[in-house]
Amino acid sequence: GAGVSQSPSNKVTEKGKDVELRCDPISGHTALYWYRQSLGQGLEFLIYFQGNSAPDKSGLPSDRFSAERTGGSVSTLTIQRTQQEDSAVYLCASSFALAGVAGELFFGEGSRLTVL
Amino acid sequence: RKEVEQDPGPFNVPEGATVAFNCTYSNSASQSFFWYRQDCRKEPKLLMSVYSSGNEDGRFTAQLNRASQYISLLIRDSKLSDSATYLCVVRGEFGNEKLTFGTGTRLTIIP
Repeated sequence: GAGVSQSPSNKVTEKGKDVELRCDPISGHTALYWYRQSLGQGLEFLIYFQGNSAPDKSGLPSDRFSAERTGGSVSTLTIQRTQQEDSAVYLCASSFALAGVAGELFFGEGSRLTVL
Repeated sequence: RKEVEQDPGPFNVPEGATVAFNCTYSNSASQSFFWYRQDCRKEPKLLMSVYSSGNEDGRFTAQLNRASQYISLLIRDSKLSDSATYLCVVRGEFGNEKLTFGTGTRLTIIP
């Protein structure tokens, strides 16, 4: 499909394990964003990429969280030593940036993470 | 103070009514503003951008007041299909493409 693709769609893991969440943005979109949404809550900004660089990592909750983007395309969000409070839906979005200004965000369907 | 604040609602209004939401933002250097819509258990989707002069898209009107740092959304002749959560979104100052979402205002249209 032509939309933003995220995998896995659902992940159940045990406390203390590491998880990797993947995002395939829309082809040609230079900006990529990660958010998380807990049940009944708003979207919490985590990080955004412009190309392969991350100008703003201010939203990453702790040093257990990291993200990378390679080839200006796929991005991976890694959570080490997961905790129960990490349980949430992790949403990825991409955007076409013109003159450094990103336009409309197109979201994937999210990766639902449950930490037992 | 939160970067973007919205009344969480819920707003329960009868079909055909007019409803308005407000949103305030803390960073006076913010450059762009949007309203997104999120249906239950779905991803957010852009509803409309908000321009300084105000803009209208069918039954929806968005206004921006930079002096008071608030954004509004007006929905006229509401439909059952308008039931959703409406998210106020603010882009940071020039050079920062971070988009901050409000917690959303939940709207239910009653038949």
